Amino acid sequence: KAGVTQTPRYLIKTRGQQVTLSCSPISGHRSVSWYQQTPGQGLQFLFEYFSETQRNKGNFPGRFSGRQFSNSRSEMNVSTLELGDSALYLCASSLAGPKNIQYFGAGTRLSVL
Amino acid sequence: QKEVEQNSGPLSVPEGAIASLNCTYSDRGSQSFFWYRQYSGKSPELIMFIYSNGDKEDGRFTAQLNKASQYVSLLIRDSQPSDSATYLCAVPPEGATNKLIFGTGTLLAVQP
Repeated sequence: KAGVTQTPRYLIKTRGQQVTLSCSPISGHRSVSWYQQTPGQGLQFLFEYFSETQRNKGNFPGRFSGRQFSNSRSEMNVSTLELGDSALYLCASSLAGPKNIQYFGAGTRLSVL
Repeated sequence: QKEVEQNSGPLSVPEGAIASLNCTYSDRGSQSFFWYRQYSGKSPELIMFIYSNGDKEDGRFTAQLNKASQYVSLLIRDSQPSDSATYLCAVPPEGATNKLIFGTGTLLAVQP
């Protein structure tokens, strides 16, 4: 069974640009969550999508957005990039249910210059 | 803001020893608790999860949960150099099972 796939693995952007990251969950998983990891703040929850609806949201500005498609694949978008957006962006998928377990993809390393 | 706290370490143990990693959480309503291992430059990998009070064992790993004290621990027996990594404790808040709140992680160094 294939794991969580994130593309691209690496991205370099400049301030003010926007970026779109993609995540394909494990087959059968309907929940996709996104996290940002930085050396200073650690792993922080961005948002979660389930059945094409945002179900949970973290404390990030509106420049961070996402969506989920009918096949459970998800994308996140960051507009008007800032230097502080440089981070490892991780996607995790899980089955629906109260005792679900999240499995992480390899991540997308974003560098903003 | 619900919090999860861990000692950042580094925790240094000799090969073959028991490594003990600790985590406290603030949300009394949390029902599930996870330990992830993260090697440098890699993504987090789930190693243990626990849902109820008491201990759960899986090979060399034991997770212990004390809900009254809001305390979770991970024991690694017969530590190996390959266990050297950052160990992240993650706790979803009550009612938001897919919103993991992570601690800052404990860096474990197993000395050969």
